[in-house]
Amino acid sequence: DTAVSQTPKYLVTQMGNDKSIKCEQNLGHDTMYWYKQDSKKFLKIMFSYNNKELIINETVPNRFSPKSPDKAHLNLHINSLELGDSAVYFCASSPLVGLVGETQYFGPGTRLLVL
Amino acid sequence: GESVGLHLPTLSVQEGDNSIINCAYSNSASDYFIWYKQESGKGPQFIIDIRSNMDKRQGQRVTVLLNKTVKHLSLQIAATQPGDSAVYFCAENMAAGNKLTFGGGTRVLVKP
Repeated sequence: DTAVSQTPKYLVTQMGNDKSIKCEQNLGHDTMYWYKQDSKKFLKIMFSYNNKELIINETVPNRFSPKSPDKAHLNLHINSLELGDSAVYFCASSPLVGLVGETQYFGPGTRLLVL
Repeated sequence: GESVGLHLPTLSVQEGDNSIINCAYSNSASDYFIWYKQESGKGPQFIIDIRSNMDKRQGQRVTVLLNKTVKHLSLQIAATQPGDSAVYFCAENMAAGNKLTFGGGTRVLVKP
């Protein structure tokens, strides 16, 4: 069984388009995250949601909007895609929020290429 | 700002030898550290973690060492195998909200 799943795995699109990436976790975790990994493999957190509530919002353009319909899902919608948005986007989840030291479990990633 | 970093981008290791991957962190308030392994085309996979009240923690073929005096973290892999070839990241956590800050990653290449 896949613990953290993302769709699609690959996404190729034109500049200016709007796209969404979906994430689901079946671990029963309360907290979910979105990370961006650039071409140099650098991983940086974008957002974190706890039980449908936004708790971490890093300096991310407002073209990126996370949406959490329930605590098992965290989707990422991107408006007006730009070339610099090309990256691998990872979803992750962890059991609890507010506790330091909760292991995060990552999905397989969505490879976004903006042409 | 303070950050986590790794010294070497690539480490070549002979199969069967031990590997050591190093990580320097600068935030003395960090109190939880994790090592992740990322294989090609996959997401980061948890390897081992350590809290700041410990100096050493062992897992299966892996050991993490924490030196708070010099703010240094290392991952030792015993008897490195071809399946250990991957990019390894250290990450630190210092605040509520479980925000992880990742280092830049070290690629480990295992030679047969």
